[in-house]
Amino acid sequence: AQTVTQSQPEMSVQEAETVTLSCTYDTSESDYYLFWYKQPPSRQMILVIRQEAYKQQNATENRFSVNFQKAAKSFSLKISDSQLGDAAMYFCAYRRSGNNDMRFGAGTRLTVKP
Amino acid sequence: DAGVTQSPTHLIKTRGQQVTLRCSPKSGHDTVSWYQQALGQGPQFIFQYYEEEERQRGNFPDRFSGHQFPNYSSELNVNALLLGDSALYLCASSLVATSSYNEQFFGPGTRLTVL
Repeated sequence: AQTVTQSQPEMSVQEAETVTLSCTYDTSESDYYLFWYKQPPSRQMILVIRQEAYKQQNATENRFSVNFQKAAKSFSLKISDSQLGDAAMYFCAYRRSGNNDMRFGAGTRLTVKP
Repeated sequence: DAGVTQSPTHLIKTRGQQVTLRCSPKSGHDTVSWYQQALGQGPQFIFQYYEEEERQRGNFPDRFSGHQFPNYSSELNVNALLLGDSALYLCASSLVATSSYNEQFFGPGTRLTVL
């Protein structure tokens, strides 16, 4: 079974600073996708960034980037120049290619201090 | 362009009752997935509907059932409610269930409380 682990229940960062959220996963598959979702108090899950397992290059979306270590089964999210609007729950998720069952971690609550 | 909408926003039921939650997918999407998010946890996949059929199901009992209509909207039904069914129920829509990657767009969820 595929599992996703987020070992940091809470993280805090100063505005304009950089923070890294950790995620590890367990799978025996070789073809899969990894995601980071943001869930603000409004509850709506928003896709932040995704990574295809077959791609060696780490994905980047503006201030958000990932460090994908396939052998170590690690998928961390780096947020640069943190903004107050980045405060939210962040969920790491895994989905096997061709499968519809997306597995989520327990989440990390990010606080941004002004 | 309307995103994913869900109704109702909040719902309170008592044990043993039945509940129906509704979801309208993002315009142009044909696939709807349902997730249960218990307090303090990540979402768990319940099932996915495509072409009005359940295509895949997570580890949920038969008390959880669904339906997809010709206009791609979907309902989630839960029978014989238990206290443990209290959660945020999220609907996500996407285009084409079987493509290798299809981004899921989530709705704001329905908060169900079972007393």
